[in-house]
Amino acid sequence: GQSLEQPSEVTAVEGAIVQINCTYQTSGFYGLSWYQQHDGGAPTFLSYNALDGLEETGRFSSFLSRSDSYGYLLLQELQMKDSASYFCAVGNAGNNRKLIWGLGTSLAVNP
Amino acid sequence: DTGVSQNPRHKITKRGQNVTFRCDPISEHNRLYWYRQTLGQGPEFLTYFQNEAQLEKSRLLSDRFSAERPKGSFSTLEIQRTEQGDSAMYLCASTPGNNSPLHFGNGTRLTVT
Repeated sequence: GQSLEQPSEVTAVEGAIVQINCTYQTSGFYGLSWYQQHDGGAPTFLSYNALDGLEETGRFSSFLSRSDSYGYLLLQELQMKDSASYFCAVGNAGNNRKLIWGLGTSLAVNP
Repeated sequence: DTGVSQNPRHKITKRGQNVTFRCDPISEHNRLYWYRQTLGQGPEFLTYFQNEAQLEKSRLLSDRFSAERPKGSFSTLEIQRTEQGDSAMYLCASTPGNNSPLHFGNGTRLTVT
């Protein structure tokens, strides 16, 4: 079957650094994406890795190792507004036809 | 760019009724997707359009579900003879092309009583 695994919950304090891991097992692989979703809101795109290595976008970075079927999202200088659910998603068909999603990691940032 | 718009935001219906949701994608995005999300889960793929053509349909989409995108712009998702198990958030997303990120609307939350 196809699956993505990520931790269900993470707690951290303001200003800290958090890493959310994602391991995947899918029939195809066309890149690993990360989305943020606040309660009641829409998923919003954070980052995308098609090739191995680190992608940096401001306070957020994402890493991919295709040989290990593994990636992570790194959030630095945490702020209260970063409290949300974070989903990893794998494109398993060409042209981004379909994304397979993890169950999400609920991040709580405390003062 | 006004973002992806979905209507209505909330819909409460009785079991057995038909419902229709609308999605207006970002203009010039030729790819449009429907996903379903329940509490504590990630979105599940339902169907995908490239322009007006429906290119893929998930096995999750029973015969009671139908989606259209008649002019390659807005899309509708209809659920006939709703069941309580259909209660979920229905998300629409659009993207301009290959491997571009999906832009999601705020969803339509359906409650079937």
